[in-house]
Amino acid sequence: DAGVIQSPRHEVTEMGQEVTLRCKPISGHNSLFWYRQTMMRGLELLIYFNNNVPIDDSGMPEDRFSAKMPNASFSTLKIQPSEPRDSAVYFCASSLAGNYEQFFGPGTRLTVL
Amino acid sequence: KNEVEQSPQNLTAQEGEFITINCSYSVGISALHWLQQHPGGGIVSLFMLSSGKKKHGRLIATINIQEKHSSLHITASHPRDSAVYICAVIGTYSGGSNYKLTFGKGTLLTVNP
Repeated sequence: DAGVIQSPRHEVTEMGQEVTLRCKPISGHNSLFWYRQTMMRGLELLIYFNNNVPIDDSGMPEDRFSAKMPNASFSTLKIQPSEPRDSAVYFCASSLAGNYEQFFGPGTRLTVL
Repeated sequence: KNEVEQSPQNLTAQEGEFITINCSYSVGISALHWLQQHPGGGIVSLFMLSSGKKKHGRLIATINIQEKHSSLHITASHPRDSAVYICAVIGTYSGGSNYKLTFGKGTLLTVNP
């Protein structure tokens, strides 16, 4: 199995630009998580999908952030407009519902100038 | 007070030493993760456990549910073990959110040759 796949691995953009991060979960997994990691706050859950439906988006910072899961094998996290404080590593993780173990992707390192 | 506390925050060891990293938590849990993150790298799940002890190669994880404490041990440490080790718990919150990971701040381990 290829594991959780994320793209791009690195993204550098300018303030005000739209950023789209992509995630392909492990085949057969029906839970998907987006996390953000910063030095100050560590790892934080942004949003959780189960069977493609957003269950908990309480961690999404503000309206500039949105996430979609149009099918079981693809999810996006969009930031529009981006700000320098959005600079972080964004991780996607997936798991089988009912199994607590989450498998993380390699992350996308976002830098907003 | 954080729900998940790790100690030490930083640990430096010589190659071959026995390493112990501790994790204490203040909530009831369904499961506990030990995760590994190399500098600039992705997050790898080492163990998920809810009772007792698990072993994988030179790594051993134990958990004491009554004392709300877990330890990660590394035997015969090696420079390639240098990484951040993160403890994360899935709490048994009322309302049944059995997916949300609460993360410790991590322990930075450096193993010198």
